[in-house]
Amino acid sequence: EPEVTQTPSHQVTQMGQEVILRCVPISNHLYFYWYRQILGQKVEFLVSFYNNEISEKSEIFDDQFSVERPDGSNFTLKIRSTKLEDSAMYFCASRNLRDSPEAFFGQGTRLTVV
Amino acid sequence: AQRVTQPEKLLSVFKGAPVELKCNYSYSGSPELFWYVQYSRQRLQLLLRHISRESIKGFTADLNKGETSFHLKKPFAQEEDSAMYYCALSGGGAQKLVFGQGTRLTINP
Repeated sequence: EPEVTQTPSHQVTQMGQEVILRCVPISNHLYFYWYRQILGQKVEFLVSFYNNEISEKSEIFDDQFSVERPDGSNFTLKIRSTKLEDSAMYFCASRNLRDSPEAFFGQGTRLTVV
Repeated sequence: AQRVTQPEKLLSVFKGAPVELKCNYSYSGSPELFWYVQYSRQRLQLLLRHISRESIKGFTADLNKGETSFHLKKPFAQEEDSAMYYCALSGGGAQKLVFGQGTRLTINP
């Protein structure tokens, strides 16, 4: 069964450093998402991406964040200058709304900013 | 505004007992409601959605538009049901998911 794959599973970075979180969505999916979950809190929407552009973003998704689909298979989330409060679990998800509204999630990347 | 509320962060029941995980939502349009489950060390996965009206692993959920609720129920809990359960709402063009806080369900033997 196809899966959404995220790498790395855990990333530790120093405050102020740039990080890139990587995701490989399911190949025939058209809608891509990033969510995050700060420890002990709810899963929060960050951004959705469709047709090679951002279709919606949340208030959390400020200028420090960017997304890219550089090669038609990977979907990346970049945080330019990490802050302590960026420490969270980041989930990538993809959907093929034509066939099903179900969102398929990756296993997550745990980002720890020190 | 879209909002999902799961009032119970923790729920503990004995094996064989009925389970009900509560979910209330707020949305001005016609939402799609989902229950996602996350077993220990596994990814979030869809348990069921209101449109399909199916029963998965013995769980059912009925959308009550009058009470804006989508409670998850199972008549006889099993130990393997222990997991984190998230109620989620989808609406609008980007079809993003709005999640509740989650309920950690523990089934005691």
